[in-house]
Amino acid sequence: DTAVSQTPKYLVTQMGNDKSIKCEQNLGHDTMYWYKQDSKKFLKIMFSYNNKELIINETVPNRFSPKSPDKAHLNLHINSLELGDSAVYFCASSQSQGAGVEQFFGPGTRLTVL
Amino acid sequence: AQSVTQLDSHVSVSEGTPVLLRCNYSSSYSPSLFWYVQHPNKGLQLLLKYTSAATLVKGINGFEAEFKKSETSFHLTKPSAHMSDAAEYFCVEAGAGSYQLTFGKGTKLSVIP
Repeated sequence: DTAVSQTPKYLVTQMGNDKSIKCEQNLGHDTMYWYKQDSKKFLKIMFSYNNKELIINETVPNRFSPKSPDKAHLNLHINSLELGDSAVYFCASSQSQGAGVEQFFGPGTRLTVL
Repeated sequence: AQSVTQLDSHVSVSEGTPVLLRCNYSSSYSPSLFWYVQHPNKGLQLLLKYTSAATLVKGINGFEAEFKKSETSFHLTKPSAHMSDAAEYFCVEAGAGSYQLTFGKGTKLSVIP
């Protein structure tokens, strides 16, 4: 069974479109995250949710809106897509917010904006 | 703000020879440190983690890392490289009491047959 799953795996779209990426974890974790990996492989956190509540919101354009319908899901909606949004987006989850807690990552969604 | 420095963007070794991937962290407090591996077109997998217990940490697939506070380093090693080790490796820090991860820029490991 996949622990952290994301759909779709690949997403190709035109500038200006609105798209969503879904994430689900079946680990019973309380905390979920979204990361962006740029073309140089650098990973940076975008958002973190704990028990469906937003706890981290890094400097991300407000075109990006995370939504957590329940503890097991954290979806990422992106409005008015721009060329610079092209990246690989990773979802992750962890049991809690404690220091040293392992985060489990999904397989990533490669977004290409044309 | 925390920062993690991976000193080499690319390391190339021959199969069967030792691997050394270097990492320096910035936190002046006791951080939690991790090494993650990313194989091509795959997600990230935890190799090992340090959380203020033993300074020499053993991970999966024969990897280990040593926490050296005096050098603020957490280098990853493996005695003998295997072709399947070819991947991108990320050194990651969580500050004291924090779960928020700061990633290094990654080191690409190539293994030559």
